[in-house]
Amino acid sequence: RKEVEQDPGPFNVPEGATVAFNCTYSNSASQSFFWYRQDCRKEPKLLMSVYSSGNEDGRFTAQLNRASQYISLLIRDSKLSDSATYLCVVNADSGGGADGLTFGKGTHLIIQP
Amino acid sequence: ETGVTQSPTHLIKTRGQQVTLRCSSQSGHNTVSWYQQALGQGPQFIFQYYREEENGRGNFPPRFSGLQFPNYSSELNVNALELDDSALYLCASSLMVAGGLTDTQYFGPGTRLTVL
Repeated sequence: RKEVEQDPGPFNVPEGATVAFNCTYSNSASQSFFWYRQDCRKEPKLLMSVYSSGNEDGRFTAQLNRASQYISLLIRDSKLSDSATYLCVVNADSGGGADGLTFGKGTHLIIQP
Repeated sequence: ETGVTQSPTHLIKTRGQQVTLRCSSQSGHNTVSWYQQALGQGPQFIFQYYREEENGRGNFPPRFSGLQFPNYSSELNVNALELDDSALYLCASSLMVAGGLTDTQYFGPGTRLTVL
């Protein structure tokens, strides 16, 4: 079983629509959770951290369900500039040595005018 | 921008050669992690350096090695290059906080390595 699983898409969504991405992770010891955004041939950039209480940053809302080992990202009123690959990321650092970030393969989002 | 820089931006090597990639961390950060991203895949953790020592390693063979310098910059060395080593190599800078946990990682622009 892959450690972090995402639907690779592509998701083709009209501008202004709401789109939701989901991700599951297998390591129950995971400590912290993130969504990164990656544009074509560029480096991943942190979009937002994810907390059990849920967090919102403008049009973006992220949610973590530890019991189900499930992470979600919701984008409202999507813009053309939201077109990118969205990477679900978990960090299982336990203090006994770095395990690094574990990335999903990414979900490719295309916003259409 | 993150303040993390990498050099070179692109590199072409042939099988069997050796390569050194460089990374300068963001000011105030003390930890550098290296990742390999093959086409169509998410980044894969290679190793992390803290206090000039390897602090953790992913599932990569010993021909992948690294260094961290007193100014926290880092190098990734790959010996005996194979065709499958062609990828984007990313370094990420972060701050090691109490208990060995690292804060958010910020990525450099990457080095695109092509092995022919």
